Amino acid sequence: DSGVTQTPKHLITATGQRVTLRCSPRSGDLSVYWYQQSLDQGLQFLIQYYNGEERAKGNILERFSAQQFPDLHSELNLSSLELGDSALYFCASSVEPGGALNEQFFGPGTRLTVL
Amino acid sequence: GENVEQHPSTLSVQEGDSAVIKCTYSDSASNYFPWYKQELGKRPQLIIDIRSNVGEKKDQRIAVTLNKTAKHFSLHITETQPEDSAVYFCAATTNAGGTSYGKLTFGQGTILTVHP
Repeated sequence: DSGVTQTPKHLITATGQRVTLRCSPRSGDLSVYWYQQSLDQGLQFLIQYYNGEERAKGNILERFSAQQFPDLHSELNLSSLELGDSALYFCASSVEPGGALNEQFFGPGTRLTVL
Repeated sequence: GENVEQHPSTLSVQEGDSAVIKCTYSDSASNYFPWYKQELGKRPQLIIDIRSNVGEKKDQRIAVTLNKTAKHFSLHITETQPEDSAVYFCAATTNAGGTSYGKLTFGQGTILTVHP
């Protein structure tokens, strides 16, 4: 158990819908990262937050958005869902983005299936 | 941006043999290189990492080497066991600031199968 929690574990929804994925980082970690894992794209970085502020963006679609709240938990919002959005979504956390405390620990993931 | 290439994509060994997985990276600013093990349907699990001021790091049966000049790093697993069977991912990032700050770029993964 990494100490990072994610809910829900599984999500099945229809095209065009909107969903919210939630992540709680390890105690003491200020930085949260979202990754998408699909069979054809591998593990792809989506977005990073540090202490409530967006720090880096990857190949995140405009239909996707995220935020980190004052209690440091984060939510990833996916809207106008398409079949191709079906994937495993992982959250990871670290104490800080860089320096000696930048090891990232992953949560158990949310498996999203869009029908 | 950073690009990480990982080889081989599949690796099959007999129990007790050694396994080596290699990765190359493109961004000379990258200075942190973690390795993750992922079992089917589970989360990626950090197994070892190396920073650019170190050439080699060992943890029991696992070791990682880094060649900054050639921009490649490798994972070595000795005395493999069936429970080592999983997908292994290498990754690279920089912790020195800039737009890649903290962002992990992953290799494509290696499916390791250890036969009893």
